[in-house]
Amino acid sequence: QVQLQESGPGLVKPSETLSLTCSVSGYSISSGHYWGWIRQPPGKGLEWVATIHHSSSAYYSPSLKSRLIISVDTSKNQFSLRLSSVTAADTAVYYCARLTYYDSSGYWDYWGQGTLVTVSS
Amino acid sequence: SYDVTQPPSVSVSPGQTASITCSGDKLGDKYTCWYQQKPGQSPVLVIYQDSKRPSGIPERFSGSNSGNTATLTISGTQAMDEADYYCQAWDSTTDWVFGGGTKLTVL
Repeated sequence: QVQLQESGPGLVKPSETLSLTCSVSGYSISSGHYWGWIRQPPGKGLEWVATIHHSSSAYYSPSLKSRLIISVDTSKNQFSLRLSSVTAADTAVYYCARLTYYDSSGYWDYWGQGTLVTVSS
Repeated sequence: SYDVTQPPSVSVSPGQTASITCSGDKLGDKYTCWYQQKPGQSPVLVIYQDSKRPSGIPERFSGSNSGNTATLTISGTQAMDEADYYCQAWDSTTDWVFGGGTKLTVL
């Protein structure tokens, strides 16, 4: 069974960098699929953030692209997200998930439990 | 950019059929999927590729997609189906895009 687990600080100061890691078990990232991050501000809807393939091909939300870096570490079976210059608007539950990709599309079939990141001084 | 739109809320009586729509320009030309999210939980995929059900999802969940609208249908709605539902599609301008979500209330 594929399992994903987010980790990282729950509190980040404004203007600093948010860093999260997703550890994958039950499946090797190197075997395929895409992997990514989706966030959900408190009381609001889902927002796609970024996606990466084990080959390191990466895709970013146009609205966040200038502040984002997504990376993968196949040796640790993990992938990570860095979001710089954060503001209160970046406060959200951040989910990591697996994307099954097909025909220039795809669906998120496995999700982590999510981690709340609060941006506050 | 590409957007998909959902109604904020839908209400249904137990045992009746609930329909949740997702609208977008030529959405029928794209694959759409649907997620169920209950309070405090992670989203769960309930429909992919417009109408396919993942293993473990009850048969009462079905989907369709044509023209500018995709529809999630829940037949014989149960109290346990009360949740937020999100549609999701892919577009070359915005990649993976989610609808704003629909709160399904089972009255």
